Amino acid sequence: DAEITQSPRHKITETGRQVTLACHQTWNHNNMFWYRQDLGHGLRLIHYSYGVQDTNKGEVSDGYSVSRSNTEDLPLTLESAASSQTSVYFCASSVDQRTDTQYFGPGTRLTVL
Amino acid sequence: AQSVTQLDSHVSVSEGTPVLLRCNYSSSYSPSLFWYVQHPNKGLQLLLKYTSAATLVKGINGFEAEFKKSETSFHLTKPSAHMSDAAEYFCVVISRGRRALTFGSGTRLQVQP
Repeated sequence: DAEITQSPRHKITETGRQVTLACHQTWNHNNMFWYRQDLGHGLRLIHYSYGVQDTNKGEVSDGYSVSRSNTEDLPLTLESAASSQTSVYFCASSVDQRTDTQYFGPGTRLTVL
Repeated sequence: AQSVTQLDSHVSVSEGTPVLLRCNYSSSYSPSLFWYVQHPNKGLQLLLKYTSAATLVKGINGFEAEFKKSETSFHLTKPSAHMSDAAEYFCVVISRGRRALTFGSGTRLQVQP
């Protein structure tokens, strides 16, 4: 069955370290998204991609970067982790149309000490 | 611009009684609207979506929502709550010309026995 996976599921790191969170989908979806979830804020968009070699900043992109070298993967990199980036991170994908459902991965819980 | 306001951060109901989770939206253009559910320590699952067809939308697990343009609302209802409905619910909007979702801050539903 097609799916969207995230790894690792849990990560503890130290301030200043570079961290990469993986997202992989097997639906061949064009659109992929990264969100962070914090108490009282719902999900906020970090970065998104409409296709290979395309990346765009979301509302909370500072301190994060993404690259899209193939259809299946959109890794999220924290260049220098900060305690404010402790959060739960969700990856999502959708086919193409605006009204298409976004399918979410199981999430990665990141703790920055 | 697009935004979503979930009017209640917590709702508590008794098992077997109706559920009402309120959502108001703001959108510059014709919106599509979604309700997602998140069970504890799980990813997000789509309950239902409105995409300019019928204004009353039926979803999974007995949930439904009505799009009311005049009131800019998209409230989620269920006639009879079940213990398994206890979760966090997110109202989500996307406007024409955009592909990224905007999430409300969430409503935590508690179901008392």
